[in-house]
Amino acid sequence: AQSVTQLGSHVSVSEGALVLLRCNYSSSVPPYLFWYVQYPNQGLQLLLKYTSAATLVKGINGFEAEFKKSETSFHLTKPSAHMSDAAEYFCAVRRGSTLGRLYFGRGTQLTVWP
Amino acid sequence: EPEVTQTPSHQVTQMGQEVILHCVPISNHLYFYWYRQILGQKVEFLVSFYNNEISEKSEIFDDQFSVERPDGSNFTLKIRSTKLEDSAMYFCASSGTGPNTEAFFGQGTRLTVV
Repeated sequence: AQSVTQLGSHVSVSEGALVLLRCNYSSSVPPYLFWYVQYPNQGLQLLLKYTSAATLVKGINGFEAEFKKSETSFHLTKPSAHMSDAAEYFCAVRRGSTLGRLYFGRGTQLTVWP
Repeated sequence: EPEVTQTPSHQVTQMGQEVILHCVPISNHLYFYWYRQILGQKVEFLVSFYNNEISEKSEIFDDQFSVERPDGSNFTLKIRSTKLEDSAMYFCASSGTGPNTEAFFGQGTRLTVV
């Protein structure tokens, strides 16, 4: 079975500080992993995805994530937070098949202070 | 940039009424999905649809739910007799072919059952 745990429902950082949003997954098969972002009153937008190629994945808006199989983790980072990064971030796992359902974590609300 | 379009953005309905949520997936995509997010909870999979039939459904997707692709562009979710607990944000998504593709989500329809 597939599942995702996001540690910390709320993360607050100062503008310019490192952003670290944690995601651990459970999967019975090699996973496909995703980070989505949801801005207020908007839908889910893909930030980045891991599909078994490079373990360090770069996404949009300066975000990146590293797949660590030994730790079953796929943490999202950004070296320097910007006010516009304030949003809710969702980690999701898919079993692999294109048609496979996504299993989402509970989400992490990122607040960026000036 | 192609996008998934959902209408209406907000629907209020009385308990027991039928509602139909509308989605226009990205035109060359072949896989379609519905997810929902009850306020404060994680995004949950409802159903996936491919080749004019349901390919997978969750335990949430019981007999009161149905999906249809009535023409070449629309993908609808019908809830036959709404309950208060059906109040949620409903997201439509679509994806293309190939193992490394991702799901593109619409903006969502906020359904409020009163």
